[in-house]
Parts: sequence; structure tokens; C-alpha cells
Amino acid sequence: GIQVEQSPPDLILQEGANSTLRCNFSDSVNNLQWFHQNPWGQLINLFYIPSGTKQNGRLSATTVATERYSLLYISSSQTTDSGVYFCLGGNEKLTFGTGTRLTIIP
Amino acid sequence: DSGVTQTPKHLITATGQRVTLRCSPRSGDLSVYWYQQSLDQGLQFLIQYYNGEERAKGNILERFSAQQFPDLHSELNLSSLELGDSALYFCASKALPVSYNSPLHFGNGTRLTVT
Repeated sequence: GIQVEQSPPDLILQEGANSTLRCNFSDSVNNLQWFHQNPWGQLINLFYIPSGTKQNGRLSATTVATERYSLLYISSSQTTDSGVYFCLGGNEKLTFGTGTRLTIIP
Repeated sequence: DSGVTQTPKHLITATGQRVTLRCSPRSGDLSVYWYQQSLDQGLQFLIQYYNGEERAKGNILERFSAQQFPDLHSELNLSSLELGDSALYFCASKALPVSYNSPLHFGNGTRLTVT
């Protein structure tokens, strides 16, 4: 099956900083999503983005399907952005990445 | 609110027991997916159904089974439970089969604790 790698595994930033999270796929995918898992364990859908670029407030995402990677940008980080960010993608089976744990320090 | 409902929210049981986790997909969604999130294994794909039929299988143990009923709700049955089965179990639904581009919508999960 498809392998999904996320980097970095951990990221600690000061409030107000910007960050870039990356997701690499071992093969091309038809479906790609980014999620934020909050402290209560809920998976919050951020973007469905199999290709192209999308923006939602301080968050944006870009997927370069031909090169099999996706990037999630968070600008002007807030403490509420803390948590684990996952990408999910695939074709027949949808596989989660290993996650990036983001900690925003006040 | 994703529209995907999972019950119960929490479940505490003993080793060797059997439990059933229930999932109601979003209205109109035909595909249901199950995932397991344990501390040491991350989020693992278990199984997928489309309109009542199994479509894909992941790392699902033989002690686990699932089905999707005619009303499209799904149940995940876990038997002969072991301590290592303690995890957060997510259900998700999708309007179209995997081969079509549409997002996956997740429920809030069932937290299973095996003591």
C-alpha cells in the first residue's frame, strides 16, 4: 500500500510564528486531506486537496500531485493551533501519515 | 459537527470480553471506513464498506469483524479483547466510492479501554 511520511515529527514555535508542515506520498493519490486532532481527540477536517492550492483564514494548503507531496501552512500561530496534524491520502485504501505534533508557546 | 455519529463515546471492559462499536454515517453517504488509533501504532486503517459490501481491508485482526447494514449504519465487533486493543476507534463516511474524489468525514470516535 501507499506509504505516507510527514515532517517534521515535532515542531515547537512561539505564538505569532509561521510554520510549514509537509506530507510525502510513495505513489500518486486521488484523495488527500489534512486534519487537526485537537486535545479531545477529535479529527477536524482542514482541507480536502488532491491538487492545487486552498486557503482558509490563517491556514492554506498546496498539493503538487505530480511530485506526490502536500504542504500545510499555518501563519500567525495561536495557542489553539497546538495539537497533532495528519494528512490522509490514497486511492483504494486511505492511509494516514505519522503526524506532526505542533506546540505553540504563548 | 461532521454528521457521523459513533456510539458509545467511551467503553471500559475486561480482557477476554467482546464489544460492539456502532457508527451511523452522514445522511446519504454510502461508504463507511473504520480506523484504530493506538498510542504506538498511529492511525491504522481497518476496513471499508460501500453500500453493504466490503471493499478494502487493512490491518484488521481476525478477532475483529465488521459489517454494514441495509440502513447503511455499520458495526465493528471486537472479541477476545486484549490490553493492546485499548485505542480510539474512528468511523468515517464518504459520499462516493474511494475511486471518486470526495472527502472523508470522521465521527468523534469511541475510546475503548481494556483492563
